[in-house]
Parts: sequence; C-alpha cells; structure tokens
Amino acid sequence: KNEVEQSPQNLTAQEGEFITINCSYSVGISALHWLQQHPGGGIVSLFMLSSGKKKHGRLIATINIQEKHSSLHITASHPRDSAVYICAVGRGTGNQFYFGTGTSLTVIP
Amino acid sequence: DAGITQSPRHKVTETGTPVTLRCHQTENHRYMYWYRQDPGHGLRLIHYSYGVKDTDKGEVSDGYSVSRSKTEDFLLTLESATSSQTSVYFCAISERSARTEAFFGQGTRLTVV
Repeated sequence: KNEVEQSPQNLTAQEGEFITINCSYSVGISALHWLQQHPGGGIVSLFMLSSGKKKHGRLIATINIQEKHSSLHITASHPRDSAVYICAVGRGTGNQFYFGTGTSLTVIP
Repeated sequence: DAGITQSPRHKVTETGTPVTLRCHQTENHRYMYWYRQDPGHGLRLIHYSYGVKDTDKGEVSDGYSVSRSKTEDFLLTLESATSSQTSVYFCAISERSARTEAFFGQGTRLTVV
C-alpha cells in the first residue's frame, strides 16, 4: 500500500468551477508538498506546509495533521490549470520524499 | 526559478551501453535526488545524496549508480542500459531534505532501444 494516496486520479471540470484534490498519508510527516506538472513539462513546487492553510492566487492548500489529510483547492478554474497535481510528504526526520501517483486535471473552456 | 539543469534533455541509446545523466545546481543545496517517472507509478526514488561523496539508495536503485564529487553536480549512470530503463528522469534539490521545498529539473527523456 502506498504511503501517500490521492483522489481522484482523474478530474474533468468546466472553466470557472471550484476544484478539490485530496491527499491522505499514513505516516508521521515533517512536511507535505503539493507539486504541479504540465503535460510534457517539468515539475513545479506549489506549496509546502506542515500545518494550517496557505494561499497563492487562486490556489489554496490545507492540512489536518490529526486526520493525516491535505486538500488542494483551485477557485475559478481555468484551462491553464490543466495539469497533473502531485502530493508528496517528507517522513519525520527522514531525508526522502514520498509521492502520490498524481491527479490529472483537465479544465474545459 | 531555482538554478537546476539536467543534461541531456533527450537521449536514445542502445541496450547494453553505459549512459550518464547530469544534474547541475547553482543553489548550493545539500540534498540532491534522482527519480524516474513512469506511467502508473508516479515518481520513484533511484538514489539521493546528502553531501559531497555521501549517497544512499532509493527504492529502484538496481542497475543505477551515482556520484557526487562536487556540491553542484550529481551524476546518474546506467551501467548497461536495458529497455526497462526507458523512462523520464528527474533530478531534484532541497536545502534540508524533505523538510524543505524541493526544486526539480526539467527532466531527461531516455529511450533504450
């Protein structure tokens, strides 16, 4: 069983919709990361958080440490948000990142 | 943008040949990672480094070796390439392991024929 689980695996939305992507993890963590990968492109870090909530433009990331759960929200979605969103965690004092398999988002105009 | 460069960006090689991929950073970050990305598997760790000459294996290290002789360079070598090593390879750096933000290179698409 993967230590990091994401849902849904695939998501299609109409432009303007509010989008939520979920990430659950089963280990103690030092930090949780949200990454974005556009088709054929590189990987970009969106957020790193260990508690609470962070906001950047139309993107909001939240984490509930007790429930071992994080959500990534996109408000007023746009076709340029179409990408794969990847959740990753750092375990305790460990050196490695552990990745979910990603959520593929398509936003239709 | 973080200064991290992978080379080459694309490579086609024959089965049985050695291949070396290079990751170069200008951020002076201590940690460097090599991942492979395959459909249905997400990012999987091959090897990582926590300092010059300090490396450790990841979950898919068989058939790969690494070297880090300078802070800025982390080399990944496929000793004898196989078709199963056809993949997209990403290098990443971070200042203080997984407790800090990771920055990724643009990826290297390797095809072994």
